[in-house]
Amino acid sequence: QVQLQESGPGLVKPSETLSLTCTVSGGSISNYYWTWIRQPADEGLEWIGRIYSSGSTDYNPSLRSRVTMSVDTSKNQFSLKLTSVTAADTAVYYCARGPGAATSEALDFWGQGTLVTVSS
Amino acid sequence: HSALTQPPSASGSLGQSVTISCAGTSSDVGRYDHVSWFQQLPGKAPKLMIYEVSRRPSGVPDRFSGSKSGNTASLTVSGLQAEDEADYYCCSHAGRVWVFGGGTKLTVL
Repeated sequence: QVQLQESGPGLVKPSETLSLTCTVSGGSISNYYWTWIRQPADEGLEWIGRIYSSGSTDYNPSLRSRVTMSVDTSKNQFSLKLTSVTAADTAVYYCARGPGAATSEALDFWGQGTLVTVSS
Repeated sequence: HSALTQPPSASGSLGQSVTISCAGTSSDVGRYDHVSWFQQLPGKAPKLMIYEVSRRPSGVPDRFSGSKSGNTASLTVSGLQAEDEADYYCCSHAGRVWVFGGGTKLTVL
């Protein structure tokens, strides 16, 4: 059973960079897409972007100028960086496997989520 | 790409059926058969319930079914049970991006 675990600082100051890592266990990170999603408190889900194990990326146009994703296949990890954060970036951040052909275009496994608060 | 449109709330009595709609456009729901549905219980991560419009992952009860007509996808929950009370989100492929619906809170009466 594939498992995902998000890690990173729970508190980030305004204008700084949010950095999160997702560690994949129970399966290989290779040959799959991997996605970041966020959810502000009492709001809906927002797709941030995805990265393939080769490193190719697709980003949400509304966040593209601030987002960078990377992958480390040797560690079975992928990462998210979001620059110039504001209070509006406060949310629970999830990592998930997919979507892509290998997962029938679905997000089939999710991490438990990690709350990131932007505050001074 | 705008978020897909879902009703904020839906309800049904125990044992009855309820259908939740997910309205998109010809650029997302209408163009791709890559619509999925997620169930989110309070404080938990979303769980995949339906993928590719109507397919169920292993372990998801067959009370959950999905369909699509034109630019609108639907999730139907039959034989409602108390544990079905949750938030439900649709998600669709939209070119090189993916878009979620705003979510529907399902209440079991």
